[in-house]
Amino acid sequence: DTAVSQTPKYLVTQMGNDKSIKCEQNLGHDTMYWYKQDSKKFLKIMFSYNNKELIINETVPNRFSPKSPDKAHLNLHINSLELGDSAVYFCASSPRIGSANYGYTFGSGTRLTVV
Amino acid sequence: GNSVTQMEGPVTLSEEAFLTINCTYTATGYPSLFWYVQYPGEGLQLLLKATKADDKGSNKGFEATYRKETTSFHLEKGSVQVSDSAVYFCALSRLQDTGRRALTFGSGTRLQVQP
Repeated sequence: DTAVSQTPKYLVTQMGNDKSIKCEQNLGHDTMYWYKQDSKKFLKIMFSYNNKELIINETVPNRFSPKSPDKAHLNLHINSLELGDSAVYFCASSPRIGSANYGYTFGSGTRLTVV
Repeated sequence: GNSVTQMEGPVTLSEEAFLTINCTYTATGYPSLFWYVQYPGEGLQLLLKATKADDKGSNKGFEATYRKETTSFHLEKGSVQVSDSAVYFCALSRLQDTGRRALTFGSGTRLQVQP
């Protein structure tokens, strides 16, 4: 199936730990994104990579570090996890950034709970 | 900058009722407009889109018309079903932002349809 797949789907961890979320797309898209969705469902862009190059880096703590080994993968590493990092993290892709005539394809999300 | 404003939810309707979810936007130029739907526990899915003024996007019985004069893209459905219960997001993207900026999402509107 062509899709954007994220792992893990659920992640429960203690404060202070370091964790990673992986994302892969097999759609041949050039651009990938990480969004954070809070408890009120508000979506905030965190990062975007276009063909392995960082394009968007919003005001996000530097404990968050994206890594794109190739244009089909965009992983998110989080150091020293805090309670406020608890959220659902969505990966998405599009043919290219901005893609005014195209939508995004989203993964199913990773629910991160920091305890 | 770009922004999208949606009506606050939740919107609670009985099955077969008429649905309207309001969306207005602020952007210079000619953005493309989108509606996404998020079913419980899932990622966002593109529902419909319109790329120029007076275009009507439609899918699964939902419709939205791009109204440049009122900067609006209201989502409508003539007869909702329980299975339509979800969170609906309005979003925009500008061609001028290609390479620089991701989709701008509204805050989401939760729809609850009761049998």
